[in-house]
Amino acid sequence: AQSVTQLDSQVPVFEEAPVELRCNYSSSVSVYLFWYVQYPNQGLQLLLKYLSGSTLVKGINGFEAEFNKSQTSFHLRKPSVHISDTAEYFCAVSEIYGNKLVFGAGTILRVKS
Amino acid sequence: DAMVIQNPRYQVTQFGKPVTLSCSQTLNHNVMYWYQQKSSQAPKLLFHYYDKDFNNEADTPDNFQSRRPNTSFCFLDIRSPGLGDAAMYLCATSRDVGANEQFFGPGTRLTVL
Repeated sequence: AQSVTQLDSQVPVFEEAPVELRCNYSSSVSVYLFWYVQYPNQGLQLLLKYLSGSTLVKGINGFEAEFNKSQTSFHLRKPSVHISDTAEYFCAVSEIYGNKLVFGAGTILRVKS
Repeated sequence: DAMVIQNPRYQVTQFGKPVTLSCSQTLNHNVMYWYQQKSSQAPKLLFHYYDKDFNNEADTPDNFQSRRPNTSFCFLDIRSPGLGDAAMYLCATSRDVGANEQFFGPGTRLTVL
């Protein structure tokens, strides 16, 4: 079974500052890793995913994440945030060839002006 | 635009009164998922359909049932809603399992009085 830990429940940051949202996972098998964003009263939207290959993955809206197998981490970063990035961010994992996404508890990113 | 549609967006029901939530997709995806997301928590998978094959999560209560009459539609039936079933219900689709991205609908927020 897999599990995901998002280390921060809320991250406040000023506009144009960099941000990192942390995610660690646990699994006994190889996995795929995902970051989703959820704006208020909306469904989840995929930001980026790691399947294989380069450990640095670039996604939409200027976000990127780095897969670190030895530390079982998949932290999400953005060099300069905007007010519009205020949302909840979920890290998720699935087994390769699996059919189930296991989500972390989410991190609320609050961007202040 | 191809999308995942959920109706209604907000549903109010009474304790013990059966309720049905609806999901439709124009993506022609093979897999459809239902997630329950309680306030400030991660989405939790209830069950999914791979084509017509129904896959129930082990810890999904018997109170929750699902139907998929065709590729486009999937329904979530809650036979006797309790106060603890108040949540956002998210429908998602994917072309296949594994690495395939899941596309989420906007969700239905269920209130139980």
